[in-house]
Amino acid sequence: SQELEQSPQSLIVQEGKNLTINCTSSKTLYGLYWYKQKYGEGLIFLMMLQKGGEEKSHEKITAKLDEKKQQSSLHITASQPSHAGIYLCGADRGRAGANNLFFGTGTRLTVIP
Amino acid sequence: NAGVMQNPRHLVRRRGQEARLRCSPMKGHSHVYWYRQLPEEGLKFMVYLQKENIIDESGMPKERFSAEFPKEGPSILRIQQVVRGDSAAYFCASSPLQGDGYTFGSGTRLTVV
Repeated sequence: SQELEQSPQSLIVQEGKNLTINCTSSKTLYGLYWYKQKYGEGLIFLMMLQKGGEEKSHEKITAKLDEKKQQSSLHITASQPSHAGIYLCGADRGRAGANNLFFGTGTRLTVIP
Repeated sequence: NAGVMQNPRHLVRRRGQEARLRCSPMKGHSHVYWYRQLPEEGLKFMVYLQKENIIDESGMPKERFSAEFPKEGPSILRIQQVVRGDSAAYFCASSPLQGDGYTFGSGTRLTVV
């Protein structure tokens, strides 16, 4: 069955540093989603990528999907304590749209002030 | 426009009791998905419903778990005769008929004592 591997599992960075989180699949991804989760809260949608080579940015967060649509990276520039949380990548099982998502195990980010 | 509403936020049940988790999707969303997050694990898909229909329940345990999404009212995830292993965070998400994203609720944290 298709799985999503996230790396690293956890990450501790000093405030102001850049960081990258990776999400890798053994099969072609039809839609790749990035979410952020804080303890006790739900998942906050960050970005969705569909096309090979696509890149999206929001504030200091940039997500990319490679040309083969099997790997995505999430890059945070000049990290802040507010970026701390668990980052999850999720993917559609089939065509993008109203299907269901399966998720990686998450990357726990800690930002030290 | 309220987001996905889940209640209760926290639920404590004794072993053998029943747990009922509710999810009201975003206005205009007719697709509902339930996910379970066990401690230190990623999100696992459980069931996908549209109004009055179960579309995909491949992630539901065979026994004690059921879900419904009636014509009127919220979607309900029901767990009968709960056991300690059912303790987890249960998240609901919704999507529009032909949306490009899933909106998650804040989750219900079930503790079985």
